Amino acid sequence: DSGVTQTPKHLITATGQRVTLRCSPRSGDLSVYWYQQSLDQGLQFLIQYYNGEERAKGNILERFSAQQFPDLHSELNLSSLELGDSALYFCASSVGAGGSYETQYFGPGTRLLVL
Amino acid sequence: GENVEQHPSTLSVQEGDSAVIKCTYSDSASNYFPWYKQELGKRPQLIIDIRSNVGEKKDQRIAVTLNKTAKHFSLHITETQPEDSAVYFCAAGVQGAQKLVFGQGTRLTINP
Repeated sequence: DSGVTQTPKHLITATGQRVTLRCSPRSGDLSVYWYQQSLDQGLQFLIQYYNGEERAKGNILERFSAQQFPDLHSELNLSSLELGDSALYFCASSVGAGGSYETQYFGPGTRLLVL
Repeated sequence: GENVEQHPSTLSVQEGDSAVIKCTYSDSASNYFPWYKQELGKRPQLIIDIRSNVGEKKDQRIAVTLNKTAKHFSLHITETQPEDSAVYFCAAGVQGAQKLVFGQGTRLTINP
């Protein structure tokens, strides 16, 4: 167990809908990262938040947005969902703002299925 | 931007033999290279990492080597066991660049 929690574990929804994925980082970690993993694909970095502020952006679609709250948990909002958005969504956390130089610990993921 | 190539995409070895997975990166400023293991349907787990001031790091049956001149790094697993079967991802990061770039993964199968 990495100490990173994600809810829900599974999510099934229809095209055009909007969903929210939630992540709580390890105790003491200030950064949260979101990744998308499609079937048999690698990990695509979406976005990083550090202590409530957006720190880095990857290949995140405009239909997706995220935020980090004062208690450091983060939410990833996916809207106008398409079939191709079906994937595993992972969040990870690290202790500081170092981003690529810091060890990232992954949560168990949310499996999203868009029908 | 950084690009990480990982080979092979699949690897099958006999139990007890060694397995080697290689990654190359493009950004010479990259200085952090973690390896993650992901079992089916589970989260990626860090198994070993290396920073650019070190050429090799070992942890029991797992070792990572780094060649900064050639811009490649490798994961070595010795005395493989069935529980080593998983997908392995390499990644490269640049301090200050705020993100890790992952390779496409290697599906390792250990045959009993």
